[in-house]
Amino acid sequence: DVKVTQSSRYLVKRTGEKVFLECVQDMDHENMFWYRQDPGLGLRLIYFSYDVKMKEKGDIPEGYSVSREKKERFSLILESASTNQTSMYLCASSSGQVDSPLHFGNGTRLTVT
Amino acid sequence: DAKTTQPTSMDCAEGRAANLPCNHSTISGNEYVYWYRQIHSQGPQYIIHGLKNNETNEMASLIITEDRKSSTLILPHATLRDTAVYYCIVRVTGANNLFFGTGTRLTVIP
Repeated sequence: DVKVTQSSRYLVKRTGEKVFLECVQDMDHENMFWYRQDPGLGLRLIYFSYDVKMKEKGDIPEGYSVSREKKERFSLILESASTNQTSMYLCASSSGQVDSPLHFGNGTRLTVT
Repeated sequence: DAKTTQPTSMDCAEGRAANLPCNHSTISGNEYVYWYRQIHSQGPQYIIHGLKNNETNEMASLIITEDRKSSTLILPHATLRDTAVYYCIVRVTGANNLFFGTGTRLTVIP
């Protein structure tokens, strides 16, 4: 079974802090994704990566950056956390096959105070 | 990606088959149908996907109509642990994104 592991289930940070969300997958998948999920808005794509050191902006990249130095690890960085970034953050991965499904981690619930 | 329409909520008796419908009347030839579910406070869980043929795996069956404008996810023997929000998604071949709508909240009743 694919395993996507997010380092924290819950995080509380203060406004202005730099926040790192870590994600690791164990299936040698090429593609990795960061989404945020908010009530009434569904899942929105922040960034994705299709290879090491490669990244593409999703629908809502503002205020975020990402890093993929190793194939199995994809990090989401909030440079200066704001209260409107309080959300559930979901990491996912998929293989390079064209119809490969995305497999999600259990999410990190981030609260910015 | 094609828009999908699902009922907001459904109930199913424990042990019975749960049939969750999805309408995707604007689906195009290169779009797959994917089903995910999300149990409260967890990440979405992949269930099954298909292009035009019916599919079955250890979790569920996916029935796609011949014109591909709708599909049904079947959980053959629903259990209480199947209570979740179920999302039907259509995705262009090779697309890097999934668009989740509001889904169907399935409640399995003892």
